[in-house]
Amino acid sequence: GAGVSQSPSNKVTEKGKDVELRCDPISGHTALYWYRQSLGQGLEFLIYFQGNSAPDKSGLPSDRFSAERTGGSVSTLTIQRTQQEDSAVYLCASSPRQGLYEQYFGPGTRLTVT
Amino acid sequence: GDSVTQMEGPVTLSEEAFLTINCTYTATGYPSLFWYVQYPGEGLQLLLKATKADDKGSNKGFEATYRKETTSFHLEKGSVQVSDSAVYFCALSEQQGAQKLVFGQGTRLTINP
Repeated sequence: GAGVSQSPSNKVTEKGKDVELRCDPISGHTALYWYRQSLGQGLEFLIYFQGNSAPDKSGLPSDRFSAERTGGSVSTLTIQRTQQEDSAVYLCASSPRQGLYEQYFGPGTRLTVT
Repeated sequence: GDSVTQMEGPVTLSEEAFLTINCTYTATGYPSLFWYVQYPGEGLQLLLKATKADDKGSNKGFEATYRKETTSFHLEKGSVQVSDSAVYFCALSEQQGAQKLVFGQGTRLTINP
C-alpha cells in the first residue's frame, strides 16, 4: 500500500518568507510525528500528533514553527519568517497508534533558505 | 533528558568483514531501542528493535542485544555486503507518552567490494 508521502520534495526559499510543508500519513495511522535532520543537530523530534491534537510540541525550536493536523490525516508544518538555520530535511512519520509500533517515515522535504 | 551516543563514522570495511557499530544510551525510564537505516536516496526505515532487557533484535543478518547493565545496543553483522552501505541510526523511545524517537548522530557505513 501507499507509504507516507511528503510534499514538496525540495523547497528553496528566501530568508524571511513563510513555508508550508505537507505530510500525508499512511491511511488509518493515528499517530504522526515531525522530525528534522540537519548537519549540525542530527535527527531531532519536533512535534507529535495523536489524531488532530498535539500533546507533545516540545521539540519545536521557536514560535516561528507551528503545525496542524486535520481530519486525523494530513498534517502541515509551517515555518514563518524563515532563517538560514532552518535549512534541513524535514521528515514526517506515522504509526498505527500510540504504543510500541513502528514509525514509518516519509522521504522528507529538503528545505533550503537562501 | 534522554540521549543516544553512537560510534562516530564514517566506517569503511571490505565485503565479508565483521561489523560492529557501538551505541549507548541514557534514559530516565525504561526505553525501547531501535536501529534505523537510511540507504542512499531512500527514507529512514526500521532495521530492528528490542523492547526489554536481554531482548535481541535481528533482521537481514544484523543483530543487536538490549543490555540494560551497560546501557548499550550495539549493532553487529557477521559478514557485510556492498548493499549494506548506508547510514545507520541508533534510537530510543520511552514506552510511555509520545514515544518520540531520540536518535544518535548516525554512522555512515561504506562497504568496498
